[in-house]
Amino acid sequence: DAGVIQSPRHEVTEMGQEVTLRCKPISGHNSLFWYRQTMMRGLELLIYFNNNVPIDDSGMPEDRFSAKMPNASFSTLKIQPSEPRDSAVYFCASSPPSGKLFFGSGTQLSVL
Amino acid sequence: GEDVEQSLFLSVREGDSSVINCTYTDSSSTYLYWYKQEPGAGLQLLTYIFSNMDMKQDQRLTVLLNKKDKHLSLRIADTQTGDSAIYFCADVTGGGNKLTFGTGTQLKVEL
Repeated sequence: DAGVIQSPRHEVTEMGQEVTLRCKPISGHNSLFWYRQTMMRGLELLIYFNNNVPIDDSGMPEDRFSAKMPNASFSTLKIQPSEPRDSAVYFCASSPPSGKLFFGSGTQLSVL
Repeated sequence: GEDVEQSLFLSVREGDSSVINCTYTDSSSTYLYWYKQEPGAGLQLLTYIFSNMDMKQDQRLTVLLNKKDKHLSLRIADTQTGDSAIYFCADVTGGGNKLTFGTGTQLKVEL
């Protein structure tokens, strides 16, 4: 298995633009997580899905952030409009029912 | 909510043992994990321990769990330069498989 696949690997955009991050979880995993990592706040859970259904989105910073999981093999995290303070590394992770998380390589987002 | 704390930095000499500590607050934690993050990469699962265990050994890694004190540690024997990374502890809380991560400990291995 190729592991959790995230794209793009790097994204540089201007303030106000829409940003879409993509994730393909490991086949057979039933949970998917979006995390954000910054120097100031460390690793923060933004939202997670179980069987494609959002379970806990309490970590989503504000209405500018939205996440979808239209099927078991794909999820998106969208920021609209983006702001400089959104600059961070965004990780997607998936897990089987056992609870062990497997992380993607992350998307480094820079909002200028 | 759950709070997981770690010291920020640890520096050791190659060949010595490293001990990375972690404290957590949720007494209902069922699993506790150690993840490793190398520069520019995602987190990689190193090892884990069930909450009904006190110790788990996996090659150079030893995990100790003190449930009474809510203290978890990771010992790396014969630390190598390739062990330089950020180490995160995490626990499962609130049911399901939602993990709460610690702040991460930057391990630096010096020659």
